[in-house]
Amino acid sequence: DQQVKQNSPSLSVQEGRISILNCDYTNSMFDYFLWYKKYPAEGPTFLISISSIKDKNEDGRFTVFLNKSAKHLSLHIVPSQPGDSAVYFCAARTYSGGGADGLTFGKGTHLIIQP
Amino acid sequence: GAVVSQHPSWVICKSGTSVKIECRSLDFQATTMFWYRQFPKQSLMLMATSNEGSKATYEQGVEKDKFLINHASLTLSTLTVTSAHPEDSSFYICSATLNEQFFGPGTRLTVL
Repeated sequence: DQQVKQNSPSLSVQEGRISILNCDYTNSMFDYFLWYKKYPAEGPTFLISISSIKDKNEDGRFTVFLNKSAKHLSLHIVPSQPGDSAVYFCAARTYSGGGADGLTFGKGTHLIIQP
Repeated sequence: GAVVSQHPSWVICKSGTSVKIECRSLDFQATTMFWYRQFPKQSLMLMATSNEGSKATYEQGVEKDKFLINHASLTLSTLTVTSAHPEDSSFYICSATLNEQFFGPGTRLTVL
């Protein structure tokens, strides 16, 4: 059973417009959420994260929104640039008493920025 | 900062042989490293948590005798795929924790 779901395998957005990537989760024990960007045959690159005590975190062109009641988060990229074309993974974790747990990833959304 | 390397970046081996993959945190010390596996068009799946100086913790369904993990120092963890079979062919990625998890570039394993 997939605990982190990214229901859009791909998304095409025009350069300069806003890209919105969505993610849903089912495990209410998750308390920290992250977005990673990944190119083929490379490891994921950390983009932005959000704690469950917040509903928004912003870093430059990237903003992550968290709706705990809906168990939904989204990543907004504005304005979208050609270099943003990549696969974006949503990830979540719990925090056990001994330290951070491993991440649970969604299947990813392939973002394509069109010129 | 927070650079994680993996070696080798890709490896092809014969069925039945063992393959060792190294994961290093280059500019920080990591008491905890994680090993993930990604099959084509799938998400990254956590295989195990590697703790320096203690035994690794494996996720359900991951055979600890097949995937040997050694966290020899605060900057090095190794994953050895023993008696590799074609179904072990995958993209193996490690991460090291420094506030957030920073990932290595991955190792593409192909078992013939």
